[in-house]
Amino acid sequence: DTEVTQTPKHLVMGMTNKKSLKCEQHMGHRAMYWYKQKAKKPPELMFVYSYEKLSINESVPSRFSPECPNSSLLNLHLHALQPEDSALYLCASSQGDRGLANYGYTFGSGTRLTVV
Amino acid sequence: QKEVEQDPGPLSVPEGAIVSLNCTYSNSAFQYFMWYRQYSRKGPELLMYTYSSGNKEDGRFTAQVDKSSKYISLFIRDSQPSDSATYLCAMSGGGTSYGKLTFGQGTILTVHP
Repeated sequence: DTEVTQTPKHLVMGMTNKKSLKCEQHMGHRAMYWYKQKAKKPPELMFVYSYEKLSINESVPSRFSPECPNSSLLNLHLHALQPEDSALYLCASSQGDRGLANYGYTFGSGTRLTVV
Repeated sequence: QKEVEQDPGPLSVPEGAIVSLNCTYSNSAFQYFMWYRQYSRKGPELLMYTYSSGNKEDGRFTAQVDKSSKYISLFIRDSQPSDSATYLCAMSGGGTSYGKLTFGQGTILTVHP
């Protein structure tokens, strides 16, 4: 089992709904990430949190709102999404600050999101 | 031109074959090179990590990095049906790539019995 736990595993939401994705890790990692992955494509970076502070936002639309309540938890709040936002949303973590992402991430299994 | 190029395949080999997966890149700032394996409907799993040029071996897997040619490879010996997955190369380093992983497109591998 992965050491990064994501919930829910599957989510179907309407375009007017508000939902949240949750991610939890207990490896003591201080950098956490949200990635979006479309079918047959590589993961695309959305956000990076380093020591609970947002350090990278890859020009993600405001309908995606990240939150890092503490060093073990990472949330992604979703509101007014579009059908093209349907994808696998992956959480990842790495040791130290974002520079130590150079040693690789530990990914969760992802949340498969469908927007209808 | 993409920063990282990887042939998406698909690649189909018989069990026991040696598999060679490759990526090329254009960003000279990349210094850290990784290979991830992703099974269907799962998150990527880190297989191999290499810093700068050289080789690294772990069981049936060997990763090679040639920075002078901007070329990295992953070899899988004695391939098994359980190796069937998508293999993603990933890189990071200084400059604008600091703290980020840049992925290749991924190669779909099928090992048939």
